[in-house]
Amino acid sequence: QSVLTQPPSVSAAPGQKVTISCSGSSSNIGNNYVSWYQQLPGTAPKLLMYENNRRPSGIPDRFSGSKSGTSATLGITGLQTGDEADYYCGTWDSSLSAYVFGTGTKVTVL
Amino acid sequence: EVQVLESGGGLVQPGGSLRLSCAASGFTFSSYAMTWVRQAPGKGLEWVSSISGSGGSTYYADSVKGRFTISRDNSKNTVYLQMNSLRAEDTAVYYCAKSLCTGGVCPLKLYMDVWGKGTTVTVSS
Repeated sequence: QSVLTQPPSVSAAPGQKVTISCSGSSSNIGNNYVSWYQQLPGTAPKLLMYENNRRPSGIPDRFSGSKSGTSATLGITGLQTGDEADYYCGTWDSSLSAYVFGTGTKVTVL
Repeated sequence: EVQVLESGGGLVQPGGSLRLSCAASGFTFSSYAMTWVRQAPGKGLEWVSSISGSGGSTYYADSVKGRFTISRDNSKNTVYLQMNSLRAEDTAVYYCAKSLCTGGVCPLKLYMDVWGKGTTVTVSS
């Protein structure tokens, strides 16, 4: 059972916006940076966001990240069919002395 | 181009051993931490282990501690995962990832920026 909780699924029509929450605690999100990973069907994960809100080169600005207290949020605007994927948050947990991933959220474009 | 490529997966009996390799290219290998992450069939991502650029610091998930060993050979640009006493629950796709630590603060500021395509490990009799 992961210590980072995400909604199992979110969905929206093309062009709309979705947000994915990642809820943790003071031992993980509350005191460390959050990263986000995108896993398209049948492929390896890909870094989408790091240090809470920084995008790696090549990631469009339709993707945004934020953190407040012990929760983080990934936002996707202008939703496209190519955004259909599983999304995971991740961070170090100081109490567990382990890197932890969220439970994962499946994004569906209606 | 920055790349990491895993190999060594396969079918192994419970209690057996397997060594995974991850060959890196396109970056100064010794300057970066490396991480293994696995994904059981139909499940989410699970961090397994990380190693610092020098190899002097290693970190493990409780689920593999004492059974798995991460190591690296910076002269060969390769990181390894030696897996012993394998169990059915170790069945997964194992991904290798180039890793960074913001401000050099490892492992607290760790994240994985380039991932391989994975290698499949199946533990079954």
